[in-house]
Amino acid sequence: DQQVKQNSPSLSVQEGRISILNCDYTNSMFDYFLWYKKYPAEGPTFLISISSIKDKNEDGRFTVFLNKSAKHLSLHIVPSQPGDSAVYFCAASAGTSGSRLTFGEGTQLTVNP
Amino acid sequence: SQTIHQWPATLVQPVGSPLSLECTVEGTSNPNLYWYRQAAGRGLQLLFYSVGIGQISSEVPQNLSASRPQDRQFILSSKKLLLSDSGFYLCAWSFGGDEQFFGPGTRLTVL
Repeated sequence: DQQVKQNSPSLSVQEGRISILNCDYTNSMFDYFLWYKKYPAEGPTFLISISSIKDKNEDGRFTVFLNKSAKHLSLHIVPSQPGDSAVYFCAASAGTSGSRLTFGEGTQLTVNP
Repeated sequence: SQTIHQWPATLVQPVGSPLSLECTVEGTSNPNLYWYRQAAGRGLQLLFYSVGIGQISSEVPQNLSASRPQDRQFILSSKKLLLSDSGFYLCAWSFGGDEQFFGPGTRLTVL
């Protein structure tokens, strides 16, 4: 039972354009969502997060949007840079589970110069 | 500041051999610790988590076990490796919040 799904295994965009990565979840108990970025042969690094009491959180070029009614969140990267090329994981946690995160399958983003 | 170490970075083992991967965290006390596996083309699967010394919770039945002999040490083990154990193993820690911090990972290849 995949509670967090990233339906696009890959995404390719041109440098300077917007990258939109999507994530859907099924567990209505999830109340905190995170995005991680992962380069090959390295551990994931935290990128940005959002609590269920908000619908948008912005940090520089990165913005996460949360649509609770649709159980959908998205990560926007504007403008995209070649260094953004990596695998992006969406993760979610429920207040009752403490710090346990449920991850999506990841989306490989490629930003072409 | 906190740092997390994993070793070895890469490992090639024959089927049926034992396994021991180590993870240590510096700069914090009583962290929550996690072991994840990323199989080729797959997402991050939580294998074990620990909220304290000697306290281990297993998320999925498998050929692996975990131990936490010290507050900041987390060990992933197997008595006999299977081909399906190949993957990228990640240790992570958290302290109270939802955000987890990952180590550099170990690439395990079972032949």
